[in-house]
This record gives sequence, structure tokens and C-alpha cells, in this order.
Amino acid sequence: QKEVEQNSGPLSVPEGAIASLNCTYSDRGSQSFFWYRQYSGKSPELIMFIYSNGDKEDGRFTAQLNKASQYVSLLIRDSQPSDSATYLCAVDTGNMLTFGGGTRLMVKP
Amino acid sequence: EAQVTQNPRYLITVTGKKLTVTCSQNMNHEYMSWYRQDPGLGLRQIYYSMNVEVTDKGDVPEGYKVSRKEKRNFPLILESPSPNQTSLYFCASSYDGRGNTIYFGEGSWLTVV
Repeated sequence: QKEVEQNSGPLSVPEGAIASLNCTYSDRGSQSFFWYRQYSGKSPELIMFIYSNGDKEDGRFTAQLNKASQYVSLLIRDSQPSDSATYLCAVDTGNMLTFGGGTRLMVKP
Repeated sequence: EAQVTQNPRYLITVTGKKLTVTCSQNMNHEYMSWYRQDPGLGLRQIYYSMNVEVTDKGDVPEGYKVSRKEKRNFPLILESPSPNQTSLYFCASSYDGRGNTIYFGEGSWLTVV
């Protein structure tokens, strides 16, 4: 079974700090990686996707991919209380997506 | 407006009473999928469909059935619900199955007592 692993948290950071969220995956053949944000009781919303090794930046968000280490991360700069949510890592496994268990992020004012 | 619509949104039912959760999308998407979400376990795929009359099992298909008779609809059927199927369920659709084209429904909270 293809697996995607995340630390469940909660990860607590002060407002304005950098939040670092990590994800590992088991299938070496995976090509596409996604980060979703999910507020409690709501559906997930896509915030970043990355296909190539290295960094991809979009506003305050940076996704990092290392296929050799089978590792994906998400950095959130200048964290805001509104960033408090669960962040889901997902991997394209050919049958839509396989998700990790999510990391709960708490940004404290 | 592009959307995935699930019904019911909230349901409390009893063990063994058959129920169906409907899912409909208005985007002419080929791919549809059902996920369940339990605390700490993320979204786990139940079934997916890549086209009409084509369905396949996901990671946790036991106790569920699906059908895809029309492109827009993908109902989830619990023939004999049990308390371990108490969960939050999401339907999703995508035109190519990729994570950056996926649309989620608003979720259906099911409680089996």
C-alpha cells in the first residue's frame, strides 16, 4: 500500500514566524505532490503543488521536494492566525490522490 | 458555478439500515472519487471512477458500494452500516484525476448508532 506520512502535531508557532510542515511518501514512482489546507469541518483547498525537485514559491508559501529522499515540505512565512488549520500532504498515485494524516498548525497571536 | 454537491450533509442512522449518499458534479468531469476522513488519518480513498461504468476500489472499500451510471453522479451506498463507518465523507471530481484539478464536495457527516 502506498503511504504518505505526516506528523500529526499540533505544531504551534508565534505570529510572524516561519511554519515548517513535513511529509514523506513511500512510492518512488510518484511524480506529483500537493498541499491542501483544511479548516475544521470544511473541505480541503489546494494551496500548492510541485512536480520537480527543488523549491516552488507562491506568496508566503514555499513547497520543497526531494525525490531522492522521498520528502516534501511546506514552509509558511510570516504565519498568521488565519493560517491555523490542518495541512494535508497528498501524492498523485494514479487513482486520484493518496493523503497523509495531516498536520495541525496553530499560529498564536 | 462549478460545484460538487453531496446529500445528505448530516445524517444519524441506525446499524443495518441501508443508506445512500448522493454526489453530483456539474463540470462534465471524467474522474470521481469518495474519501472518508477520521481524526488523524487524513482522507482515505474508498472508491474511484475514471469514467461511466468504470469503478475501482480505493484503500478502504469494505462495507461500501458505488455505481457510475451517468457521468455526473457517483452515489456511495452503505448496504448495512456499522458504527465503524461513522465518519466525515467527501466526494471529489476532476477532469484528469490530478490533484490540482480536483473539486471537493462540502462533506457529509454520517453517524451510525
